[in-house]
Amino acid sequence: EVQLVESGGGLIQPGGSLRLSCAVSGSNVNSNYMTWVRQAPGKGLEWVSVLYRAGGTYYADSVKGRFTISRDISKNTVYLQMNNLRADDTAVYYCAREVVASGLDYWGQGTLVTVSS
Amino acid sequence: DIQLTQSPSFLSASVGDRVTITCRASQGISSYLAWYQQKPGKAPKFLIYGASTLRSGVPSRFSGSGSGTEFTLTISSLQPEDFATYFCQQLDSYPGTFGGGTKVEIK
Repeated sequence: EVQLVESGGGLIQPGGSLRLSCAVSGSNVNSNYMTWVRQAPGKGLEWVSVLYRAGGTYYADSVKGRFTISRDISKNTVYLQMNNLRADDTAVYYCAREVVASGLDYWGQGTLVTVSS
Repeated sequence: DIQLTQSPSFLSASVGDRVTITCRASQGISSYLAWYQQKPGKAPKFLIYGASTLRSGVPSRFSGSGSGTEFTLTISSLQPEDFATYFCQQLDSYPGTFGGGTKVEIK
């Protein structure tokens, strides 16, 4: 069974940094596209970033230059390094496995990031 | 970026009703559309891919159709466990944008 478990969320001041982790079991992070999606309180889903099997990346314009997606194959974990955080980055962050061109078939439970002074 | 517009954003229905949700893309996306169901405090659940293919284990009362720019999700007979918010997502190109969501509530 595929499971994704996010961690690393919390309260952070504007301008600060956080690193989210997504530990994966039952699937290899280097064999799949891995995605981060976020959801602001009471709002819809916002696609954030993808890490391709071959290691390439893509980011939403709203986070480009501030967020970095990466993986540690030995730990089977995907990361989202978030720098220069802003109030509008406040959201539950989900990692998900993508079946290319089909959809996000497995999701973690989410981790809440709150950016506030 | 491709924009997805869902309608309605909210609908009130009764158990047993037939419900249809529409998702319109700002440009053609072939059949690269997925649907998700989300309940409060939970992660989204993957329902349909390729616009019309049900994921294994999804009840057959759910169906999807469409291609190009207009898509629909239909629930043929609404069940109590179907009251939730539904999102579409396009996978034609990155960023993989989502629709704004449709909240299905009990009448």
